[in-house]
Amino acid sequence: AQSVTQPDIHITVSEGASLELRCNYSYGATPYLFWYVQSPGQGLQLLLKYFSGDTLVQGIKGFEAEFKRSQSSFNLRKPSVHWSDAAEYFCAVAALGNNNDMRFGAGTRLTVKP
Amino acid sequence: DVKVTQSSRYLVKRTGEKVFLECVQDMDHENMFWYRQDPGLGLRLIYFSYDVKMKEKGDIPEGYSVSREKKERFSLILESASTNQTSMYLCASRRTGPLGTQYFGPGTRLLVL
Repeated sequence: AQSVTQPDIHITVSEGASLELRCNYSYGATPYLFWYVQSPGQGLQLLLKYFSGDTLVQGIKGFEAEFKRSQSSFNLRKPSVHWSDAAEYFCAVAALGNNNDMRFGAGTRLTVKP
Repeated sequence: DVKVTQSSRYLVKRTGEKVFLECVQDMDHENMFWYRQDPGLGLRLIYFSYDVKMKEKGDIPEGYSVSREKKERFSLILESASTNQTSMYLCASRRTGPLGTQYFGPGTRLLVL
């Protein structure tokens, strides 16, 4: 079965600085990969997803992620963080043909310093 | 605008009580899901349903049951609540197909005393 690891539990960045959140997945075939954001008191919102094609995926709110098969990674990036980006971020992986079986990472909490 | 709603944002129950968490989606999605979210553990799938009256166990179904009598509604039932079921519960729905986006409700924070 597939699994996801988010190595960083908590990250703090200054407003305006760049951001990279790490995600490593384990799956034997081509995965479906997702990044979700959860703002305080809210449900999860999809930022972006990767199924195939261009390995650099653009999402909402200025986020992007790059799929690297050789590293089994799908890291999330943003060139300049805004205070409103403070939230918890979840990476998820689903199996091709069976994406009812979506597995989530433990999440990375992002704090943005003024 | 797509919407998944959950009946309560906060619930406080006592050990042994029967608890119902309701979820409704207005997108005519076939698939619906219940997750629990705990710090450091991310989201774990409790049950899902791919059609009316159909259900499948997820990773942690023990102590829970579900009901899907109508397409838009998916209920999570704690037959006899226990303190270790104190958690955030998230409902989600998705259209069938590999490219479907999963939409989440705002969550229900349940405290079992």
